[in-house]
Amino acid sequence: GIQVEQSPPDLILQEGANSTLRCNFSDSVNNLQWFHQNPWGQLINLFYIPSGTKQNGRLSATTVATERYSLLYISSSQTTDSGVYFCAVEGYNTDKLIFGTGTRLQVFP
Amino acid sequence: NAGVTQTPKFRILKIGQSMTLQCTQDMNHNYMYWYRQDPGMGLKLIYYSVGAGITDKGEVPNGYNVSRSTTEDFPLRLELAAPSQTSVYFCASSLALGTAYGYTFGSGTRLTVV
Repeated sequence: GIQVEQSPPDLILQEGANSTLRCNFSDSVNNLQWFHQNPWGQLINLFYIPSGTKQNGRLSATTVATERYSLLYISSSQTTDSGVYFCAVEGYNTDKLIFGTGTRLQVFP
Repeated sequence: NAGVTQTPKFRILKIGQSMTLQCTQDMNHNYMYWYRQDPGMGLKLIYYSVGAGITDKGEVPNGYNVSRSTTEDFPLRLELAAPSQTSVYFCASSLALGTAYGYTFGSGTRLTVV
């Protein structure tokens, strides 16, 4: 099956800093999503982005499908951005969303 | 506008007991999923369903059973609870394969087996 690797595993930032999270996947995908799991465990859908670039406020994401990676950019980070960011992909001819192991982000004031 | 609802939110089981985790969605989604998340780890797919009456195994199905008698409900059954099943369980749904609407997750059920 598809392998999903995320880097870095842990990230510590001071409020206001920018960061880039990376997701590599091992095969062509029909679906790629970025999720934020907040410190209370709730999973929030950030982006549906199997290809191209999208922006939502301080967050943006780019997926280069031909090179099998996706990037999540967080600008001017805030303490509320803390949590775990997951990349998840769905391959062609499958019905399964496979998750990476996540990047744990801590933003300090 | 409830989305995906999971019950209970917390449960403690003794080894060998059984229980059913409930999941219901009100978005008329065809696809439903059960994931488990162990501490500090990503989510692993247990079972999924592409429509009423159809279910299939995911990555870690052993020790679990599911059924899908209606579009709305997708319960997960643990028959003989084991400590290895201590985890947080998430139910999710989506409209269709590769949908632009993505997946919607429930708030999770935290299960401890002692």
